[in-house]
Amino acid sequence: NAGVMQNPRHLVRRRGQEARLRCSPMKGHSHVYWYRQLPEEGLKFMVYLQKENIIDESGMPKERFSAEFPKEGPSILRIQQVVRGDSAAYFCASSSSGSLLEQYFGPGTRLTVT
Amino acid sequence: GENVEQHPSTLSVQEGDSAVIKCTYSDSASNYFPWYKQELGKRPQLIIDIRSNVGEKKDQRIAVTLNKTAKHFSLHITETQPEDSAVYFCAASTGTASKLTFGTGTRLQVTL
Repeated sequence: NAGVMQNPRHLVRRRGQEARLRCSPMKGHSHVYWYRQLPEEGLKFMVYLQKENIIDESGMPKERFSAEFPKEGPSILRIQQVVRGDSAAYFCASSSSGSLLEQYFGPGTRLTVT
Repeated sequence: GENVEQHPSTLSVQEGDSAVIKCTYSDSASNYFPWYKQELGKRPQLIIDIRSNVGEKKDQRIAVTLNKTAKHFSLHITETQPEDSAVYFCAASTGTASKLTFGTGTRLQVTL
C-alpha cells in the first residue's frame, strides 16, 4: 500500500526560476493539503484541495504561489520567480473521505534557491 | 485563527524515564488533536490523536490527555527508548477535512 508520494525529493532553483512540486495522495485519498516547513520550525498550512477544487487557500502567499489538483494526475504546487526565502521543505498530506481527520504526510520536497 | 503553543522546545530524558510535552490552543471550536513524530530529514508521522469527546487515549507507551475547559492537551511517553528521540509536533483542527495548525515542536533526546 503505497503512501503519499512526492517528487522531486530535492530541487535546486536559481532566483527567478519556477519550481514545480508534485504530490500523489495515498490510494483512495482524494483530499490533499500542502504545508511548508522552514528550517528548525513547525509546519505551516498553505492550501487544501480536492479533485479539481481549491477548498482553502488561506495560507498561500498572494503572489507567485499556486496549486492545483486535476482530475487526473498528481497535485502540483507551483512557485514562480522563486526567491531565497522560498527555500524550505514542502510537505503534502492526504486524507480520505471516509476518515477526513487523519492526515498522512509524504516525504517532502526540499527546495533550495540559490 | 487558531494558535497552538507547545512546551518545552527541548527535552532531555534518560532511557526508561517518562517524557511529557504540553500544548495549548486558542480556538474553542477545535475538536481534533493529533501528534506527529518527525525524525531528522523525514516526514511527520502520525503517532496518536484524540478527539474532543474523549479525555484520554492510550496506545502502548504513548498516551494523550485533553482538557477542553483549559484548552490544553499533552503527550506522555513512558519507558522512553533511544528510538523515541525525534521532534514531536502537536496540532489542532476545527473539524473534518480542515487544516492542521501545528505547534512549534519539541526536540526530545533520550540518553542512555
